[in-house]
Amino acid sequence: SYELTQPPSVSVSPGQTARITCSGDALPKQYAYWYQQKPGQAPVLVIYKDSERPSGIPERFSGSSSGTTVTLTISGVQAEDEADYYCQSADSSGTYQVVFGGGTKLTVL
Amino acid sequence: QVQLVESGGGLVKPGGSLRLSCAASGFTFSDYYMSWIRQAPGKGLEWVSYISSSGSTIYYADSVKGRFTISRDNAKNSLYLQMNSLRAEDTAVYYCARVVVAATYGMDVWGQGTTVTVSS
Repeated sequence: SYELTQPPSVSVSPGQTARITCSGDALPKQYAYWYQQKPGQAPVLVIYKDSERPSGIPERFSGSSSGTTVTLTISGVQAEDEADYYCQSADSSGTYQVVFGGGTKLTVL
Repeated sequence: QVQLVESGGGLVKPGGSLRLSCAASGFTFSDYYMSWIRQAPGKGLEWVSYISSSGSTIYYADSVKGRFTISRDNAKNSLYLQMNSLRAEDTAVYYCARVVVAATYGMDVWGQGTTVTVSS
């Protein structure tokens, strides 16, 4: 089955830049989406179609894609950005199988 | 405002059944594809099922295929998930979510979730 791979954790100091990667064989052919989830809350979409930002999401959140890896970048990290982040995509085999990465815990030191 | 509210969760014995509902408001429900996603305690997100705007196209994760049935009633602005033959590993918070316009996956609006516990 198709898998997306994320690092379990990323730590940065306030004001620094956090980069969270997500790797998958089908990512050159399928869009990636990114979600932020804080404890006890539902996920929130922060990036769609690799690099588009929904309205209401701060400009410090951005997404990029290169080959089989997509990256969520948070510039000027703030304490409120501490959360779990999940990437999502789908396989390209013709079957509709949507997958999430395992999630990355972003810690703001 | 745009809102999704799930209901129907609870405690059920292994092998039992449960029907989850999701009430949509603040947008034209019949225009959107919808999905169910779940999250086991302390674990990551798992996509469960998807239904097109008309209900004519449906997909399931392999882990629930043959046991769960997704449906919708556009007249009632509601999404459903019928869960049969429940197992301990189905224990999770279940979220309904709206799929991004012009996409077949990617969810831009999520409910707060309803908790399903499968235990004897």
